[in-house]
Amino acid sequence: SAVISQKPSRDICQRGTSLTIQCQVDSQVTMMFWYRQQPGQSLTLIATANQGSEATYESGFVIDKFPISRPNLTFSTLTVSNMSPEDSSIYLCSGGRQGALNEQFFGPGTRLTVL
Amino acid sequence: AQSVTQPDIHITVSEGASLELRCNYSYGATPYLFWYVQSPGQGLQLLLKYFSGDTLVQGIKGFEAEFKRSQSSFNLRKPSVHWSDAAEYFCAVGPGNTPLVFGKGTRLSVIA
Repeated sequence: SAVISQKPSRDICQRGTSLTIQCQVDSQVTMMFWYRQQPGQSLTLIATANQGSEATYESGFVIDKFPISRPNLTFSTLTVSNMSPEDSSIYLCSGGRQGALNEQFFGPGTRLTVL
Repeated sequence: AQSVTQPDIHITVSEGASLELRCNYSYGATPYLFWYVQSPGQGLQLLLKYFSGDTLVQGIKGFEAEFKRSQSSFNLRKPSVHWSDAAEYFCAVGPGNTPLVFGKGTRLSVIA
């Protein structure tokens, strides 16, 4: 299995500011994803983080609002830009290895509150 | 399109009682099915998964799930619930190394 860590674990931010969330995997993974979990809701995929290239965003999510980087196989960042209270959520990253039982491992999440 | 339905938003069981959480999926091919648990303030932990083979799969913490293709279901069971099992449970489907589609979750409360 892979161990995934995220920083920060939680933050309280003012509207209009930006926050960058870091995701570190302890071993190489093929795929990395970012999900959002709004209060009381399930997980919604934001994007697939692609190594060395632009992320692939799901409908309703755009790069200007959620820029993502993945400079190598074990690290990715998600930035929540120009935040509003509606961005208050838990943001989770996940990783999986090609052909390795096809399962995804999740980080502990970053709990973001925007005032 | 892929989808997952968890019909029960909230379930309350007594400690020591049996548990069954329902999950129905819609998927065009052979699904990869997962159950995750999320404790308050925590990330997601994989309980068990089904890819192929035996339709009854065993997971961690004494959980098991049964894949029924005819019913498009993958229900999670535990014969005797412990207070520490109180959490949110998510069923998910996906073809493997692609993003998972999650159900809305079932919140489990355990009473003495």
